[in-house]
Amino acid sequence: GAVVSQHPSWVICKSGTSVKIECRSLDFQATTMFWYRQFPKQSLMLMATSNEGSKATYEQGVEKDKFLINHASLTLSTLTVTSAHPEDSSFYICSGKRTAKNIQYFGAGTRLSVL
Amino acid sequence: DAKTTQPNSMESNEEEPVHLPCNHSTISGTDYIHWYRQLPSQGPEYVIHGLTSNVNNRMASLAIAEDRKSSTLILHRATLRDAAVYYCILRDVRFGGYQKVTFGTGTKLQVIP
Repeated sequence: GAVVSQHPSWVICKSGTSVKIECRSLDFQATTMFWYRQFPKQSLMLMATSNEGSKATYEQGVEKDKFLINHASLTLSTLTVTSAHPEDSSFYICSGKRTAKNIQYFGAGTRLSVL
Repeated sequence: DAKTTQPNSMESNEEEPVHLPCNHSTISGTDYIHWYRQLPSQGPEYVIHGLTSNVNNRMASLAIAEDRKSSTLILHRATLRDAAVYYCILRDVRFGGYQKVTFGTGTKLQVIP
């Protein structure tokens, strides 16, 4: 199956700092990438959808100025959590959809802890 | 969006078959049925998908009811590594790659040694 690499897998940061999470599709081109957030014992919540070269579409209630998404190429998308606060601590997961296939492939996730 | 309903949890003995049900009574003719699973502390993993006919792959089988209002994911021989949350999701083929996928609560499968 297709591989999505997400980095870092775990990050701890101080409150007020920014954190960047990278998501790469290693062996396929992802025309569309999705970013999810998952709190403990809850399901995945979609944060935003992005197409390569376009601005991301954010879900209701997700602050686009706080969660900056860049999808500059068909193999790379980044999520930057700006001015992180403890309530942003969560498990962030990216996903890429392969062109011409209706299947999403997911990264292993990034656990963010904001102190 | 068409919704799916799954039991919150199920148990299975190791090396026995597991049948995970999913109801999707409002499914449309262009909805594919997808299954993903999420192991603890990992991102979801694609398992299988189908439209009308039953499907088999190396991981599992998907049995789809004739009226398509329900489906069953079949793990032929459960192992401890199959303990995960299993999500049944509908994806409308008309929207191609742009369709967002919403995850429900899924079924947490516990495999007993």
